[in-house]
Amino acid sequence: DQQVKQNSPSLSVQEGRISILNCDYTNSMFDYFLWYKKYPAEGPTFLISISSIKDKNEDGRFTVFLNKSAKHLSLHIVPSQPGDSAVYFCAVHKAAGNKLTFGGGTRVLVKP
Amino acid sequence: GAGVSQSPRYKVAKRGQDVALRCDPISGHVSLFWYQQALGQGPEFLTYFQNEAQLDKSGLPSDRFFAERPEGSVSTLKIQRTQQEDSAVYLCASSSTRTDGNTIYFGEGSWLTVV
Repeated sequence: DQQVKQNSPSLSVQEGRISILNCDYTNSMFDYFLWYKKYPAEGPTFLISISSIKDKNEDGRFTVFLNKSAKHLSLHIVPSQPGDSAVYFCAVHKAAGNKLTFGGGTRVLVKP
Repeated sequence: GAGVSQSPRYKVAKRGQDVALRCDPISGHVSLFWYQQALGQGPEFLTYFQNEAQLDKSGLPSDRFFAERPEGSVSTLKIQRTQQEDSAVYLCASSSTRTDGNTIYFGEGSWLTVV
């Protein structure tokens, strides 16, 4: 039972354009929603997060949107840069919990 | 070191062999996590320690998997009688807080291949 799904395994975008990554979850009890970025042979690094009481959080070129009714999370990267090429994972957790549940990842390629 | 350190980085084990994977968390971090990441998938939770106490081991896939953190710092994940399906990257992470996902720092992982 996959609680978190990223239905697009890969995404290719031109430098300077917008990258939109999507994530769906099944459990409405999650309190925090996060995006992690992972380069090859490295561990995931935290990118941006949003709590369940908000619907948008922005940090520089990165914006996360949360649609609780649709149980849908998205990450917008504007403008995309070649250094953004990586695998992006969405993750969720409960405030009272101690573990992250990850999606399967989306590989982003930003072409110069 | 400044980050989470894992060793070995790469391990090839023959099926049936026992392996031990080590994690040095960030100094002072009370929370320590182990995750398993199979090829092409996201990390999956294995177990969680708060100091030396193993508070959650619900993700360990079988009784062949065992983790310990006896002094509340370094942790070891042991896999007995390895099987091919154990081939994965094993990620260790640490945090100074218990539940704040944006302060969880991951190591580079230990890549295990069982042949």
